[in-house]
Order: sequence, then structure tokens, then C-alpha cells
Amino acid sequence: GAGVSQSPSNKVTEKGKDVELRCDPISGHTALYWYRQSLGQGLEFLIYFQGNSAPDKSGLPSDRFSAERTGGSVSTLTIQRTQQEDSAVYLCASSFFGGPETQYFGPGTRLLVL
Amino acid sequence: QQQVKQSPQSLIVQKGGISIINCAYENTAFDYFPWYQQFPGKGPALLIAIRPDVSEKKEGRFTISFNKSAKQFSLHIMDSQPGDSATYFCAASMVTGGGNKLTFGTGTQLKVEL
Repeated sequence: GAGVSQSPSNKVTEKGKDVELRCDPISGHTALYWYRQSLGQGLEFLIYFQGNSAPDKSGLPSDRFSAERTGGSVSTLTIQRTQQEDSAVYLCASSFFGGPETQYFGPGTRLLVL
Repeated sequence: QQQVKQSPQSLIVQKGGISIINCAYENTAFDYFPWYQQFPGKGPALLIAIRPDVSEKKEGRFTISFNKSAKQFSLHIMDSQPGDSATYFCAASMVTGGGNKLTFGTGTQLKVEL
């Protein structure tokens, strides 16, 4: 079956512009996670959605970052007024909920802020 | 505060040898410890995982050893192959009450030479 997909695969933007990154989770997965992978910080948790519950935003680095999940499926991560330090690979993962379920990762969106 | 420390940063092993990667954690509330394998340009993929109620788990050539009292766990890759060359991440999460958000180690780049 289809895995987690993310788009775009690459994004180059200018400092100060807004960007939107999309994640399509595996069908039927109720939990969705966003992580960021950068050279300086490694892999770090950003935000977590589970069903209709309020998202866990504890990993978002600043208020320029936000995310939503529509209809319990597709998610969009938005970065406003991008900065050069936002350059990283943004990874989405999804899983079933209820235990130590495997998180399946997408290929990521490589963001470069010039 | 880095909650999961991973070593070594890089590792070169001869084909057929044993690769060993170590991790240590600080938060005793963690109750799920997965290892992920990542190839260039791809998202991380679950390799093997362990819960703290067992001290060892083996799947094929991959073994996790877990020492709860020392708060350490390690990955052993037996009969290492060139195809195992990748970046390996240990991780930890709280399944119960924690949403299974993964906290990652900094990664180990493994190269298996012929």
C-alpha cells in the first residue's frame, strides 16, 4: 500500500517569505507527527495530532510555526516569515494509535531559506 | 537538554564484523526504545524496538540490549554487510501519556567496508 507522502520534495524560498509543507499520512492512521532534521539539531519533534484531540505543539520552536490537520487526514505545516535557521528537512510520520505503534516516515521536504 | 545521547558519531566496520551503537537516556518515564535506519534522501525506517520489561530482543542480524538500571541500550548488527551502510538513530518515547513522541539520539553513520 501507499506510504506517507510529502510535498513538495524540495523548496527554496527567500528569507521572510511564508511556506507551506504538506503531508499525506497512511490511510487509517490516526496519529500524525511532524519532525525536523537539521545538521545542528538532529531529529527533533515539532507537533503531534491524534484524532480530534487538541494537537501537542510542545516542540514548535517559535510562533512562526503552525500546523493543521484537516478531516483527520492531510496535514499542513506552515512557517511564516522564514529565517535561514529554518533550513532543514521536515519529516512527517503517521501511525495507528493505542500503543507503541510504529511510526512510518515520509521522505521529507528539504527546505532551503536563502 | 539532550535526553538521548548516542555514540559513536561514526563507525567503520569490515564486512562480516559486528557493529555496535550505544545510547543512554535520562528520562525514566520513557517506555519505548526504537532504532531507526535512514538512507540518504529517505525518511527514517523502523529497524527494531524494545520495551523496558525485557533485556534483549533479536530480529535476524539485529539485536537490542537494554539495561534499565544503567539507562542504556545498544544496537548490535551481526555479520555486517555493505547494504547496512546507513545512518542509525536510537530513540525513546513515552507511550503511556506521552503520545509516543520520539526523542532521537544524534545518529551514527555506519560504513561497512568490503
